[in-house]
Amino acid sequence: GESVGLHLPTLSVQEGDNSIINCAYSNSASDYFIWYKQESGKGPQFIIDIRSNMDKRQGQRVTVLLNKTVKHLSLQIAATQPGDSAVYFCAEKRGSNYKLTFGKGTLLTVNP
Amino acid sequence: NAGVTQTPKFQVLKTGQSMTLQCAQDMNHNSMYWYRQDPGMGLRLIYYSASEGTTDKGEVPNGYNVSRLNKREFSLRLESAAPSQTSVYFCASRLQGTSGRSKNIQYFGAGTRLSVL
Repeated sequence: GESVGLHLPTLSVQEGDNSIINCAYSNSASDYFIWYKQESGKGPQFIIDIRSNMDKRQGQRVTVLLNKTVKHLSLQIAATQPGDSAVYFCAEKRGSNYKLTFGKGTLLTVNP
Repeated sequence: NAGVTQTPKFQVLKTGQSMTLQCAQDMNHNSMYWYRQDPGMGLRLIYYSASEGTTDKGEVPNGYNVSRLNKREFSLRLESAAPSQTSVYFCASRLQGTSGRSKNIQYFGAGTRLSVL
């Protein structure tokens, strides 16, 4: 669902299902995008990234899709496991100063 | 290889007290960053250092100062803590100057949880 106030968007899935986490970005000049996973009480951990000249990139159990026409990014997790439960952040890079701008995150809960 | 190490892990301050959050990385990275994370929010950039000897303001620099002590260390100082600075603070580093996509990946520490009463 949509975030309201301090509440994160949440996604609840059953173990073994595929998960899709969405992210909208605002700046059409952004040329690089990255997904991070943050488990409770820990720092963000790099998952996968993609340049703006690509539409799709695959990793181990994860795929990132980029739709520049509608400025939308998604992270697909195959065969979701309880260890995938975390907050997932997308981030974008604008220009050459190597700063990342982060989204608010989505809480993924995997039910056994 | 410890990556990015932050100290302390937890801290409670009274309003008006000062403290310095420490960050060190052992990956020979050029760029370092300080973020704050508030409930339900993404990470917001406070200050960053593109390379040793340089620092620049990020999105929310007010009330903070930084020092890039050397290539390994980047500290964040609160001169007079306020309750609005209650947050979780993350340090990150990035390898600059290489070709390929890996130069954009920032690696994060475990965070410092700060409460200002």
